[in-house]
Amino acid sequence: DAKTTQPNSMESNEEEPVHLPCNHSTISGTDYIHWYRQLPSQGPEYVIHGLTSNVNNRMASLAIAEDRKSSTLILHRATLRDAAVYYCILRDGFGGGSNYKLTFGKGTLLTVNP
Amino acid sequence: GAGVSQTPSNKVTEKGKYVELRCDPISGHTALYWYRQSLGQGPEFLIYFQGTGAADDSGLPNDRFFAVRPEGSVSTLKIQRTERGDSAVYLCASSLEHRESSGGYTFGSGTRLTVV
Repeated sequence: DAKTTQPNSMESNEEEPVHLPCNHSTISGTDYIHWYRQLPSQGPEYVIHGLTSNVNNRMASLAIAEDRKSSTLILHRATLRDAAVYYCILRDGFGGGSNYKLTFGKGTLLTVNP
Repeated sequence: GAGVSQTPSNKVTEKGKYVELRCDPISGHTALYWYRQSLGQGPEFLIYFQGTGAADDSGLPNDRFFAVRPEGSVSTLKIQRTERGDSAVYLCASSLEHRESSGGYTFGSGTRLTVV
């Protein structure tokens, strides 16, 4: 699987937007960009995924660079419940090889200050 | 059920003992995955089931680890002759299938295994 690079930690204030970056310079054309988050004492939770176009859902937005070598997860208004480890993961979306595997790095620990 | 259920939530066992960890996936999900998470690390893949069969068990660390899913629903991860290094959170996830159209995987809250 192609590798991703994320900052170890970030801090935000409650009710402010948060932009979590992810670099994936070796991404292949069939790799989808997935984001999961893990709250304390919980399993990972799916947040969003995309291929080329920006994506929005009820949890977050995903902005993908035109060259796809980086992406940003956007939380529009952080709440205390958004404090978690956020993982950016690449996954081959076209059935090649072992695309069912999620390869987690260490992720970004997001702290939200009240 | 509404989510992936894992039991027990915590398990303390003595070195050398046998343990079983259970996973109840979301009803109708054909794909099931086991991951292991050590302190401060991201989860690591152990095994993937499609239906009743283990499609990929390449992540199992050694032959003390084994998993089954006899009826294509509930899965059990079995660890023989436990060692202190097996202490970790064992996570189970399920999905309708592993293609992108199914979106993300749903994880359980995990079983925290401590070997003393």
